[in-house]
Amino acid sequence: EDQVTQSPEALRLQEGESSSLNCSYTVSGLRGLFWYRQDPGKGPEFLFTLYSAGEEKEKERLKATLTKKESFLHITAPKPEDSATYLCAVQAGGGNQFYFGTGTSLTVIP
Amino acid sequence: DVKVTQSSRYLVKRTGEKVFLECVQDMDHENMFWYRQDPGLGLRLIYFSYDVKMKEKGDIPEGYSVSREKKERFSLILESASTNQTSMYLCASSLGTFTQYFGPGTRLTVL
Repeated sequence: EDQVTQSPEALRLQEGESSSLNCSYTVSGLRGLFWYRQDPGKGPEFLFTLYSAGEEKEKERLKATLTKKESFLHITAPKPEDSATYLCAVQAGGGNQFYFGTGTSLTVIP
Repeated sequence: DVKVTQSSRYLVKRTGEKVFLECVQDMDHENMFWYRQDPGLGLRLIYFSYDVKMKEKGDIPEGYSVSREKKERFSLILESASTNQTSMYLCASSLGTFTQYFGPGTRLTVL
């Protein structure tokens, strides 16, 4: 069965304290891995798509990387406004479906 | 920018009522999706559609139906709402097999 697991479930960081969020997956035929940010009570906001192992994408303080088994979302010198839940999703096989992890809730303390 | 809108941000209904949730996208995307999101369970796919009048069941279709009469509009219908359908409902759209873009969500409470 295809699975996407995110860790940790929750993470508290001091402002400026860099860290990484993990998304591990067990799927056949990965076609894409997607990162989203979700603020409370809102819909997920697209951040990155990664298609193949070794690929990296960056946006401001965020950097996403992909290996054959997992992806990391690195957050460098986070600010309180980076506080949100970060969701990972994979697309695999021949269909259009995404498989989502349950997310990592990030809190950045001033 | 892709824009996906949902008809209501908050909705309160009574058990047994018929509920319509509507989603509209403005980017001519062929694929549209309905998810529900519950704490600890993540996003679960209810139904999706890859073309007008076409629909496919997702992981949890029981108690729901959908309608897609126009390309830009995808409706989720709860035929007889129940308390276990209290949830956050999210609509998304995509072009081909690419990134899904989400609407703001509808928080549905069934009393």
